[in-house]
Amino acid sequence: GAVVSQHPSRVICKSGTSVKIECRSLDFQATTMFWYRQFPKQSLMLMATSNEGSKATYEQGVEKDKFLINHASLTLSTLTVTSAHPEDSSFYICSARRGAGGQGEQFFGPGTRLTVL
Amino acid sequence: KQEVTQIPAALSVPEGENLVLNCSFTDSAIYNLQWFRQDPGKGLTSLLLIQSSQREQTSGRLNASLDKSSGRSTLYIAASQPGDSATYLCAVDNAGNMLTFGGGTRLMVKP
Repeated sequence: GAVVSQHPSRVICKSGTSVKIECRSLDFQATTMFWYRQFPKQSLMLMATSNEGSKATYEQGVEKDKFLINHASLTLSTLTVTSAHPEDSSFYICSARRGAGGQGEQFFGPGTRLTVL
Repeated sequence: KQEVTQIPAALSVPEGENLVLNCSFTDSAIYNLQWFRQDPGKGLTSLLLIQSSQREQTSGRLNASLDKSSGRSTLYIAASQPGDSATYLCAVDNAGNMLTFGGGTRLMVKP
């Protein structure tokens, strides 16, 4: 199978702190990983596309200086929410694309629930 | 820009019924379409993936069809069970680079 893990699964932090979320592909290499955000009762919205060894591509409306993405290896991407505020509270889900090119299937992590007090 | 719509937004059925969830998309130039299940507060579970060259995929009681030309996909669930209660999301991959998700259908199967 193709397994993607996320850590932590849940985090509660104070306003103004930074939070790092890890996304790992456990049994395959992923040149491309994606970060999604899901607000309550809404669908997933793509935040950014993370390519190994290069800068992430952010979707319109997503602040790159606030949501720092590092894809340092073929199995790990990290999302850091800097100076988090209550409006950043959300469910963050990553996915990893298996296979080269743009047609590989995406496999999703279990998600990280961020609560900013 | 791809837009994905799911109808109905919510559905409540008695156990044992067969049901159909609908997904439509505006740009037919897709690589594939996936159906996911999401339980409350949980991540996504991939149910079925249909490549653009395929017409349908089946897994157990689930059958998904794809009509690219009309921009539609359906997820058919046979003999529904209370354990099928969840939100079902369809997502379209049409740029080889990102998935566009529909708003989901919240399904409740009553015992």
